Amino acid sequence: KAGVTQTPRYLIKTRGQQVTLSCSPISGHRSVSWYQQTPGQGLQFLFEYFSETQRNKGNFPGRFSGRQFSNSRSEMNVSTLELGDSALYLCASSAQQVSYEQYFGPGTRLTVT
Amino acid sequence: DQQVKQNSPSLSVQEGRISILNCDYTNSMFDYFLWYKKYPAEGPTFLISISSIKDKNEDGRFTVFLNKSAKHLSLHIVPSQPGDSAVYFCAASPSGGSYIPTFGRGTSLIVHP
Repeated sequence: KAGVTQTPRYLIKTRGQQVTLSCSPISGHRSVSWYQQTPGQGLQFLFEYFSETQRNKGNFPGRFSGRQFSNSRSEMNVSTLELGDSALYLCASSAQQVSYEQYFGPGTRLTVT
Repeated sequence: DQQVKQNSPSLSVQEGRISILNCDYTNSMFDYFLWYKKYPAEGPTFLISISSIKDKNEDGRFTVFLNKSAKHLSLHIVPSQPGDSAVYFCAASPSGGSYIPTFGRGTSLIVHP
């Protein structure tokens, strides 16, 4: 079974621009979560989608948004990029609506200059 | 305010010896705990978990111990192998509908041959 895939793997953007990241979960998985990891920080939860509905949201500004499509693929969007948004963005999928064990993709490394 | 703390940023161990990674938490609502391992340029991989109704869970060379009264858990790797060299994240989830995990900042384990 193919793992979680994320595109692109690397991205360089300029302050003020917006960016869209994509995540394809493991086949059959309906829950997709997004995390931000910055140097020296643990993974910080952004949001979770299940069956196209946002189920949980972390403590991030409204510039961060996401969506999930009917095939469970998910996208994450960050508008008006700031330097502090430079981070590794990780997507994770799980099979069940309430599932503690998640399968992570390799991440998208976003650099904002 | 960190609810999940991994106070040792790094740990160095000789091959064949025991590696002990520690994690402390403050939120008494956490009732499910997980360890993830992360290699560079890859997403975290689930390693082992433990429910608050247990105090020990074992899987091959990996054992997780939970001390609820001290709000402390530890991951033991015996014997340690060079391939275990990675960053280890501790995560904790509350019970109920929102399972959003809170991650520690990670401990970098280096196992020397």
